[in-house]
Amino acid sequence: DVKVTQSSRYLVKRTGEKVFLECVQDMDHENMFWYRQDPGLGLRLIYFSYDVKMKEKGDIPEGYSVSREKKERFSLILESASTNQTSMYLCASRLQGLGSPLHFGNGTRLTVT
Amino acid sequence: AQSVTQLDSQVPVFEEAPVELRCNYSSSVSVYLFWYVQYPNQGLQLLLKYLSGSTLVKGINGFEAEFNKSQTSFHLRKPSVHISDTAEYFCAVSVRGATNKLIFGTGTLLAVQP
Repeated sequence: DVKVTQSSRYLVKRTGEKVFLECVQDMDHENMFWYRQDPGLGLRLIYFSYDVKMKEKGDIPEGYSVSREKKERFSLILESASTNQTSMYLCASRLQGLGSPLHFGNGTRLTVT
Repeated sequence: AQSVTQLDSQVPVFEEAPVELRCNYSSSVSVYLFWYVQYPNQGLQLLLKYLSGSTLVKGINGFEAEFNKSQTSFHLRKPSVHISDTAEYFCAVSVRGATNKLIFGTGTLLAVQP
């Protein structure tokens, strides 16, 4: 079974802080993704990575950056956290190929005060 | 641009009743279609997927979905629901030849009542 682990379940940060959300997968998947989930908006793609050191912007990349130095780890960085970034953040991974399903972590609920 | 529409934000249903969760997509090219389920305080997990072939797809926990190309729909059904099916259900589409992305609908909360 694929396991996608997000390092924190809940995080509370202050406005202006730099925030790191970490995600690790154990199945050698090429593709990794960061989504945010908000009520009534579903899942929106922030960034994805199709290989080590490769990244591509999703639909809402503003205010975020990512890092993928190793195949199994994909980090989401909030350079200067703002209250409108309070949300549930979901990491996912999958094998290369559009028909491959996503495997999700359990999410990190971030609150920015 | 591709999009996915789940018109029902919430579907209340009694235990052991049948249920249908609706999903429509817009795309002029071939697609892959997915249904994911999210139980409370968990990430999403795959219920079923349509890649090609038979338009009726069976998934886990007794769910099935039918791909209808002419109506651009991929509705999810279960003939008899249980309390444990209470969760949020997301329809998603990825497009062949496009970038490596999955487009999600806004989700439908299935609320099963005793």
